[in-house]
Amino acid sequence: NAGVTQTPKFQVLKTGQSMTLQCAQDMNHEYMSWYRQDPGMGLRLIHYSVGAGITDQGEVPNGYNVSRSTTEDFPLRLLSAAPSQTSVYFCASSYLGRAQASYEQYFGPGTRLTVT
Amino acid sequence: AQKITQTQPGMFVQEKEAVTLDCTYDTSDQSYGLFWYKQPSSGEMIFLIYQGSYDEQNATEGRYSLNFQKARKSANLVISASQLGDSAMYFCAMRADFGNEKLTFGTGTRLTIIP
Repeated sequence: NAGVTQTPKFQVLKTGQSMTLQCAQDMNHEYMSWYRQDPGMGLRLIHYSVGAGITDQGEVPNGYNVSRSTTEDFPLRLLSAAPSQTSVYFCASSYLGRAQASYEQYFGPGTRLTVT
Repeated sequence: AQKITQTQPGMFVQEKEAVTLDCTYDTSDQSYGLFWYKQPSSGEMIFLIYQGSYDEQNATEGRYSLNFQKARKSANLVISASQLGDSAMYFCAMRADFGNEKLTFGTGTRLTIIP
C-alpha cells in the first residue's frame, strides 16, 4: 500500500495563479480531508468528503474548491492564489465510523506552498 | 464547537526522563475520541495513541500512555524514558461521534530532548 500520496511536494505560485493539489489513497477509505498547517495554529480543516460525490466545508474553506469523483482521489483547487494561502497542506483519509473506534486518520507527506 | 488547548509551546527534557505533554479539551458531546500525533522535523504526521471517551482504562502504546481525566477534560500524553528521536512537535486532536470524522487540533507542543 502506498497509503496517502500528495503531489507536488513543493510549489511556488504568483498571486492570482490557480493550481490543483493532488491527493490519492489506496486504502478504500470513505473519508478524506484537507488541512492547512500554519505556524502556531496547528492544523485547520479546509474541506472534507465522506464519499464519492459528497463534499463539505471545514473551518477555513474560502479560496479553495474540492471535488470527489472517485473513492481514491480528492484534489484541492486554489482558485486565485493569495499570499495568505502560503502554508503546508496535508491530505488525510480514514474509515467512517463512530468516535469510540480506534482507527486513526492517515496523513500524506504534505505540500509546501508559497504564494508570492 | 470543539476546542483543544495545548498550553506548552515548547519543552526541554533531559534524555531518559519521562515527559508529560498537556492537553485539555472542550466539547458538549458525550462520545468522542482523542488522539496524539507526532510531527518530526521531516514534516510527516505520525499517529501515536487513541483514547475513546467511554474507555475506562488509560490507553498505552509502548512508551506512550494517555493520562485521561474525563471530569477535568484533560488527555495528557506521557512519554516514558525519553529518547533523542522523541524531539518533535506533538499535536493533540479530537474527533466527534456519529460518523463525523473531522479532527480538531491543538496548536502543538515542540518537545526537545537534551542529551
